[in-house]
Amino acid sequence: GAVVSQHPSWVICKSGTSVKIECRSLDFQATTMFWYRQFPKQSLMLMATSNEGSKATYEQGVEKDKFLINHASLTLSTLTVTSAHPEDSSFYICSARPGQRTDTQYFGPGTRLTVL
Amino acid sequence: AQSVTQPDIHITVSEGASLELRCNYSYGATPYLFWYVQSPGQGLQLLLKYFSGDTLVQGIKGFEAEFKRSQSSFNLRKPSVHWSDAAEYFCAVGASGQNFVFGPGTRLSVLP
Repeated sequence: GAVVSQHPSWVICKSGTSVKIECRSLDFQATTMFWYRQFPKQSLMLMATSNEGSKATYEQGVEKDKFLINHASLTLSTLTVTSAHPEDSSFYICSARPGQRTDTQYFGPGTRLTVL
Repeated sequence: AQSVTQPDIHITVSEGASLELRCNYSYGATPYLFWYVQSPGQGLQLLLKYFSGDTLVQGIKGFEAEFKRSQSSFNLRKPSVHWSDAAEYFCAVGASGQNFVFGPGTRLSVLP
């Protein structure tokens, strides 16, 4: 149980294009989902917290107009990197918190984004 | 503000040897503590977690961790390391309704 998927697992795009990454909780409902960014050989940095049916809460320094987050249902959150640039290349990982439980997050396998 | 430190950036052990990965945290209240493992190019897998009660917690893959409040530590241990344990290990701290804060990670290499 508690499986989180991400799609795509990797994507290469041209500079200036937009890329959408999906995060799904497969066997549970996730009231809250989180989006992290991880640079090579570094730890995870929280980008934003996404609650179903409401606007995402962004961490300081994260451009909300560049990283659009939509949490349309209890099993799906999407991250859209708009007008991507090479510096946006990174490993993006989502996690989901089951229902009202506030103790554990289950992580997706990550999406490798490369912007040329 | 809460923070997590993992003093060892990289540890190398021989297969079959014991392992201890250190984690120290700074938090205003009793935190929830987690250890996650990440293989290259993969997401994070939960090894174990501590919320309350017994300070020695057992996890998957033969790992255990001990919460020591007096030292603000939550060190991860394994009595005998396998080659498949080579990965990046992250300690994280959180609290009810709060976001996770991750440590910088410790990379484990295992010698045959």
